Amino acid sequence: QVQLQESGPGLVKPSETLSLTCSVSGDSISNDNYYWGWIRQPPGKGLEWMGSIYYSGSTYYNSPLKSRLTISVDTSRNQFSLRLSSVTAADTAVFYCVRLTSNQEGRYYYYYMDVWGKGTTVTVSS
Amino acid sequence: DIQMTQSPSTLSASIGDRVTITCRASQSISSWLAWYQQKPGKAPKLLMYKASSLQSGVPSRFSGSGSGTEFTLTISSLQPDDFATYYCQQYNTYPYTFGQGTKLEIK
Repeated sequence: QVQLQESGPGLVKPSETLSLTCSVSGDSISNDNYYWGWIRQPPGKGLEWMGSIYYSGSTYYNSPLKSRLTISVDTSRNQFSLRLSSVTAADTAVFYCVRLTSNQEGRYYYYYMDVWGKGTTVTVSS
Repeated sequence: DIQMTQSPSTLSASIGDRVTITCRASQSISSWLAWYQQKPGKAPKLLMYKASSLQSGVPSRFSGSGSGTEFTLTISSLQPDDFATYYCQQYNTYPYTFGQGTKLEIK
């Protein structure tokens, strides 16, 4: 049974870079059936998809974050990571890592989030 | 970006009730819609994918329908464990987008 676990600092100063890692167990991150991604949820608010990555390193980012966001994968450690630069208080949120599984229609694949980590809270404050 | 709008935002219901939550997309997303349940302090849990496919392990009292721009999630007979917030999410097009959530409360 695949499990995802987020790790990283719970407190980051404004203007600094937020870094989180998601460790995957129970499956290989190199399994070509899946993408891997990050979702965030500000306190008391809804869910925002941040971006996704394939084991090959191919990425998709949400446009408002694109200039500050980097998602990377380390297949040797079965992990993927998020870096968000120049953070402000508005970046305070619970961050979830997710596995995305595909539906196929013809030659196209559509990915939904079937496995979620428990989430980690990151506060941006001086 | 595709906007997802859920209604109602809050729903009060009793044990045993049949409830329906609606999700509308700002443009057609075919059937590429997922539903998630989230309880306070917990990660969302996948309930349905491809609009009407039940995720393994999810009780059969949950069902989904719709295609194009209008979708529904129905709980046939509410159980105590079902009181939570529900989100729809489209995965037809990047960026993936979520509805604002529907909080299901005990009446």
